[in-house]
Amino acid sequence: QRVTQPEKLLSVFKGAPVELKCNYSYSGSPELFWYVQYSRQRLQLLLRHISRESIKGFTADLNKGETSFHLKKPFAQEEDSAMYYCAGGTSYGKLTFGQGTILTVHP
Amino acid sequence: SAVISQKPSRDICQRGTSLTIQCQVDSQVTMMFWYRQQPGQSLTLIATANQGSEATYESGFVIDKFPISRPNLTFSTLTVSNMSPEDSSIYLCSVEGGREAFFGQGTRLTVV
Repeated sequence: QRVTQPEKLLSVFKGAPVELKCNYSYSGSPELFWYVQYSRQRLQLLLRHISRESIKGFTADLNKGETSFHLKKPFAQEEDSAMYYCAGGTSYGKLTFGQGTILTVHP
Repeated sequence: SAVISQKPSRDICQRGTSLTIQCQVDSQVTMMFWYRQQPGQSLTLIATANQGSEATYESGFVIDKFPISRPNLTFSTLTVSNMSPEDSSIYLCSVEGGREAFFGQGTRLTVV
């Protein structure tokens, strides 16, 4: 099992669209998640693919053909600045994490 | 949801010594997970701890180096044994519940 986030750092300006890339390599059908860690806070769930939800304006579409689960937001806000991890697993607790992407949103 | 408390939050230890990290959950859970995050690296699962049975270790991690206890459904400990500077990392406790994982605040370990 492998989860890859190709960008270690991503900088955008407030109001610009943002996309954090994630690709996975898994046997079977994994559960896929985006976790976020804001400054001085613990790691927390942002969203999961199975729910097909939008949280804080973020969405993530699972593309099985491209084995991707990119995270998108049309208009970035300064409070979105954080470390974002893509993760996959065959259970909700036993996860394989990507390397993480530090998103910085400039005013 | 689950609230996880980890102790200590950070420590500086001498090489060759051992450190035990405690993880307390505010609800009963079947499985608890221990992760390591080395500097500049991602989170890597060390082991899964079930109450009443031995922990299951991931490839590259062994019980002699990272012994784990799970005496009840709300508590677990991870010991980092015979430490070397390469063990300097953040160690995280995690549980699953409600179709997501919950994490402790982590223990930042520095080995000198």
